[in-house]
Amino acid sequence: EAGVTQSPTHLIKTRGQQATLRCSPISGHTSVYWYQQALGLGLQFLLWYDEGEERNRGNFPPRFSGRQFPNYSSELNVNALELEDSALYLCASSFSGNNEQFFGPGTRLTVL
Amino acid sequence: QKEVEQNSGPLSVPEGAIASLNCTYSDRGSQSFFWYRQYSGKSPELIMFIYSNGDKEDGRFTAQLNKASQYVSLLIRDSQPSDSATYLCAVNGRAGNQFYFGTGTSLTVIP
Repeated sequence: EAGVTQSPTHLIKTRGQQATLRCSPISGHTSVYWYQQALGLGLQFLLWYDEGEERNRGNFPPRFSGRQFPNYSSELNVNALELEDSALYLCASSFSGNNEQFFGPGTRLTVL
Repeated sequence: QKEVEQNSGPLSVPEGAIASLNCTYSDRGSQSFFWYRQYSGKSPELIMFIYSNGDKEDGRFTAQLNKASQYVSLLIRDSQPSDSATYLCAVNGRAGNQFYFGTGTSLTVIP
């Protein structure tokens, strides 16, 4: 069974640009979660999508947004990139209503 | 106060010893508790979850939960060098599927 996949693996942008990160959940999972892991810091919860709807978001500014598609894949968009947005962005998926999250390999975003 | 607190370590144990990792959480309404292992440069991997007070064993791993004390721990028996990683404690907050992660404890198992 394929795990959670994310693309791209690495992304380099400059300040002020927009970044789009993509995630495909494990087959059968309908919930997708996004996390930011900055160097030396813990995982910070960004967004949770389930059945196409945003269910919860963490303490991040509105320039962090996303969506979930009918096939349950998801996109994270970060607008007006700032240097401190440089981090590993992790996507996780789970069955709806189930707490066991499985993580993808992450996208390393570097903002220059 | 952070939602989840872990001792960042580093924790060093000799091969074959028991490694004990601890975590406290602030939300008394939390119902689900998880331990993830994260190797350097890799994504977290779920190794244990526990929902009820007491112990839960899975191979060399034992998770312990004490809701009254808001404390969850992970014991790794017969530690192996391959167990060297950062261990993340995660707690499901009462606000519905919002996970709070600790900053992790770095474990080194010395051969």
